[in-house]
Amino acid sequence: SQQGEEDPQALSIQEGENATMNCSYKTSINNLQWYRQNSGRGLVHLILIRSNEREKHSGRLRVTLDTSKKSSSLLITASRAADTASYFCATGISGAGSYQLTFGKGTKLSVIP
Amino acid sequence: GAVVSQHPSRVICKSGTSVKIECRSLDFQATTMFWYRQFPKQSLMLMATSNEGSKATYEQGVEKDKFLINHASLTLSTLTVTSAHPEDSSFYICSSLRGTYNEQFFGPGTRLTVL
Repeated sequence: SQQGEEDPQALSIQEGENATMNCSYKTSINNLQWYRQNSGRGLVHLILIRSNEREKHSGRLRVTLDTSKKSSSLLITASRAADTASYFCATGISGAGSYQLTFGKGTKLSVIP
Repeated sequence: GAVVSQHPSRVICKSGTSVKIECRSLDFQATTMFWYRQFPKQSLMLMATSNEGSKATYEQGVEKDKFLINHASLTLSTLTVTSAHPEDSSFYICSSLRGTYNEQFFGPGTRLTVL
């Protein structure tokens, strides 16, 4: 089964509102990354948060990480129509000379103008 | 962020032909690159880890002889889909690993359609 599970699967909000997406995972991780994917396009790296960090900001994005609950959240403030996309969390695990990034199923965000 | 390119961006081929997809890390050297496959409306599934100078590591269920991976230099990995069939039609995405914080930077993807 996939490591990361996003919640909700789909989210529809009005422009200007905040959007919160959650991600839960099952095993210990080294880092967690959030990506955006517009329909039919590649992935855009948003934020990486390491396992010893609790919160990171980048512009209108705020990511939190709670390793005790094995969960992360992505908050987009003052959403814009251009934020409409699918958002994926991905957990990074290093070990024995290898590194693996495992993606969740994604949250489809629709921002209505 | 770092730039990763893929070529071609789109390919349509007949069943039975082989298709090569290139992934280039343009502004940093990557000893590790990854290949993913994404079916419509689904998440990315890791196919294999490409290691420069050594054999790729394939995920369970991915056929090594079907999906040939070569990582001959620190900036280039190639994925060859051999004897492609319609069920191989998918969006193939590569990524390069930058070691400082194990950040992955993704290419724009290659859409393969096998007729």
